[in-house]
Parts: sequence; structure tokens; C-alpha cells
Amino acid sequence: EADIYQTPRYLVIGTGKKITLECSQTMGHDKMYWYQQDPGMELHLIHYSYGVNSTEKGDLSSESTVSRIRTEHFPLTLESARPSHTSQYLCASSDPTGGRTEAFFGQGTRLTVV
Amino acid sequence: AQSVTQLGSHVSVSEGALVLLRCNYSSSVPPYLFWYVQYPNQGLQLLLKYTSAATLVKGINGFEAEFKKSETSFHLTKPSAHMSDAAEYFCAVSEGGGGNKLTFGTGTQLKVEL
Repeated sequence: EADIYQTPRYLVIGTGKKITLECSQTMGHDKMYWYQQDPGMELHLIHYSYGVNSTEKGDLSSESTVSRIRTEHFPLTLESARPSHTSQYLCASSDPTGGRTEAFFGQGTRLTVV
Repeated sequence: AQSVTQLGSHVSVSEGALVLLRCNYSSSVPPYLFWYVQYPNQGLQLLLKYTSAATLVKGINGFEAEFKKSETSFHLTKPSAHMSDAAEYFCAVSEGGGGNKLTFGTGTQLKVEL
């Protein structure tokens, strides 16, 4: 039912590299989110968007940036990766119209910075 | 501000036994409450949601949860555990209507033993 895709699923990259994590959804949802999840920990919201050209920082401070040029696409970028960025990143989308209240999640990108 | 507390980071039950995962929340407005399940190396899948309709909510895979305003609780139960229920379970709260930003609990790892 949920059509939200994240690529890559796993990424191992060296310190200082620029990376972009991709997130796309085919449901036409206006609202999209990025959550960061460390092992054994809760998810923390790091970015969200309520529509095209709208981006906001979440509750957890992050050195990453996001963009929302198209409704279906919400990429996350790290200009210079560091070991402290090692984590799982989960993308989600939602559309409260029509009574749907839940967020749909992608399968996540597990990032390891060495 | 909203918050979620999940008591017990690890819960172990025997196959066929009752599953009870606890969740308490705080919210300054009537909340929307959710339970999500996460299997290893996967994203989050919605189990069930409370959106101010019936206080007893039935979800997928035989799970249900009861919203108790007086106790600010939304505990997840299943009458009979199955091996396939072994996963991480997250309780989450959303304020101000559905489809908005989620605040998650720290998660409960459910182990099912033979």
C-alpha cells in the first residue's frame, strides 16, 4: 500500500565525502519527513516539509540539509560526512486529507561513515 | 510539548502467551496515537492508530490497543504471541491533527520464545 522508496539501503563511505540519500513517494503526499535512528534508540525528527519549496528543521539538530523541489522527492544531503553521522535514516510521508492520519515509512538507509 | 514513555526496553514472552507492551504519553492537546513495528533492517509499519474515535483500537496481526485518557496510556496487547511477532515496537504521538510530526518512544524489543 505504501509507496515510498529510499536509496541506497546501505552505504559505507569515507570521512569527508559528500552524500545524498534519496527518498521518493508516489502517493502525492504534501508532507514528508526525515528521521534519524541510532541503534536501540528512538527516532528523532531532523527535517520536514509541508510542500514544494518548504523545508524546516526538526527537533534534533542535524548537519544535513534537505530540499523539496518536487512533491514526490525529498533528498537529504551531507556535505562532508563524519563518523558521527553513522546512523539509520528513515524517510516518511503523510497526507491528513481524507482522514488518513498515519505516516508511511520507507525501508531506511543505513549509513556508515568510516 | 508532547512525549512518549515506553516502559521496558526488552520484553520476553513465550509463544502463545499474552503480549503487553506499555506506552504512556503526554500531550497538551487531544492526541493522535500510533503503534509501529520495525523488523530488522526494515522501515516502520503501522500496526494501529487512535484518532479520537473508538477507545479500543484493533490493528493488524491480531494486535489491539486501548486508549485510556485518565491514565494517559495506550498499551498494546495481543492475546497469543507468535514467533513472527518478534520485532521492535514503537509508540508515537502526534499533536494538532493527523499526519503531523511524530514523537516516538524509545521502543520495546519483543522476544518470543518457544
